Amino acid sequence: DIQMTQSPSTLSASVGDRVTITCRASQGIHRWLAWYQQRPGKAPRLLIYEASSLQSGVPSRFSGSGSGTEFSLTISSLQPEDFATYSCQQYNMYPWTFGQGTKVEIK
Amino acid sequence: QVQLQESGPGLVKPSETLSLTCIVSDYSISSGYYWGWVRQPPGKRLEWIGRIYHDGNTYYNPSLKSRLTISVDTSKNQFSLKLTSVTATDTAVYYCARLSGYGEFFDFWGQGALVTVSS
Repeated sequence: DIQMTQSPSTLSASVGDRVTITCRASQGIHRWLAWYQQRPGKAPRLLIYEASSLQSGVPSRFSGSGSGTEFSLTISSLQPEDFATYSCQQYNMYPWTFGQGTKVEIK
Repeated sequence: QVQLQESGPGLVKPSETLSLTCIVSDYSISSGYYWGWVRQPPGKRLEWIGRIYHDGNTYYNPSLKSRLTISVDTSKNQFSLKLTSVTATDTAVYYCARLSGYGEFFDFWGQGALVTVSS
């Protein structure tokens, strides 16, 4: 299975900060990567697919980049509703696998 | 906008079968898309379980394949999951979700159902 590793595991930031989360795949996955946001007790919400395509309805402060084994999710100006856990998912090879999550918390 | 809702017992005894159903609203399963299941054990990462098409075509996570059945009932616009011989490690929030038409990622999710395996 392809292992997905995110860093950091926890990130402390303030409203208005620019934050970047990294996701690394154990082998190349081209650009077949999605990012999800998950608030406590809620279902994941798709933010980004194909590494950098913004899902409809997602604010433009979210952006994704990368290819191969290194990917990143950037929030350009953190808003109060963005404090949540973010997970990446590869869909290049079965079984699809997820990262362990990065919790963005209030500093 | 498509909506999904999981239903099923919240408590299952060890060695028994976990059964969940996902009822889909505002979209006909027969119209297309793949539909899938994902779970998240407490404090752990999401785990992809498997997916099904309206014609019954399935693909399962190999780690669960021997115990897993996913089926679809287009007449009721729902799909189901059965996991046999459960243990405490199967305790998780189980989500049903729709796979996007652009690739095998999930664009619509149910709210999730916590299933605890305990005697």
